[in-house]
Amino acid sequence: ILNVEQSPQSLHVQEGDSTNFTCSFPSSNFYALHWYRWETAKSPEALFVMTLNGDEKKKGRISATLNTKEGYSYLYIKGSQPEDSATYLCAFGAAGNKLTFGGGTRVLVKP
Amino acid sequence: EAGVAQSPRYKIIEKRQSVAFWCNPISGHATLYWYQQILGQGPKLLIQFQNNGVVDDSQLPKDRFSAERLKGVDSTLKIQPAKLEDSAVYLCASSSGRTIGEQYFGPGTRLTVT
Repeated sequence: ILNVEQSPQSLHVQEGDSTNFTCSFPSSNFYALHWYRWETAKSPEALFVMTLNGDEKKKGRISATLNTKEGYSYLYIKGSQPEDSATYLCAFGAAGNKLTFGGGTRVLVKP
Repeated sequence: EAGVAQSPRYKIIEKRQSVAFWCNPISGHATLYWYQQILGQGPKLLIQFQNNGVVDDSQLPKDRFSAERLKGVDSTLKIQPAKLEDSAVYLCASSSGRTIGEQYFGPGTRLTVT
């Protein structure tokens, strides 16, 4: 059974502040690492698919880094806004297009 | 392109009752997944279809859960009889297989078993 861990489970951020959180995953048999954003009552939305060690991806104020050798990825939010409030899920991609999800980091941005 | 559709969005039933969920994937996506997301946990794969065949159902509680994708397009997931611990969000996702593991999700069905 694959172990994908996210920390912290939740965090409160003041509007305008930057924040980051972690996803750790097995460093063997790596195919891809996915980040999703899931807002309440909406569909989980794909943010990034990362496949290479050292990958850095950016989408607006959100960016992610990947270290496959040590098995971790960071997601950063710069200048948090209330619309960034969501649960951020990472998922370890394995052969056969299977995803194993972490428990998520729930972010609440306070105005 | 239209996204993944799911219905109903919410369902409340009593334990031992039956319930069914429906999913229509993105047009042309051969792979369809059903996940169960219990509050505070990440989504857990229940079953994966490739066209109308089952690829992986190792985590599906087969004594009470069943799923089908008869024509290789839309799919139904059924629970019979429901237990309290089945309260969760049931997510459907689909994939074209062109990008490594990328899956597109529907909005989910929130099931409450009382």
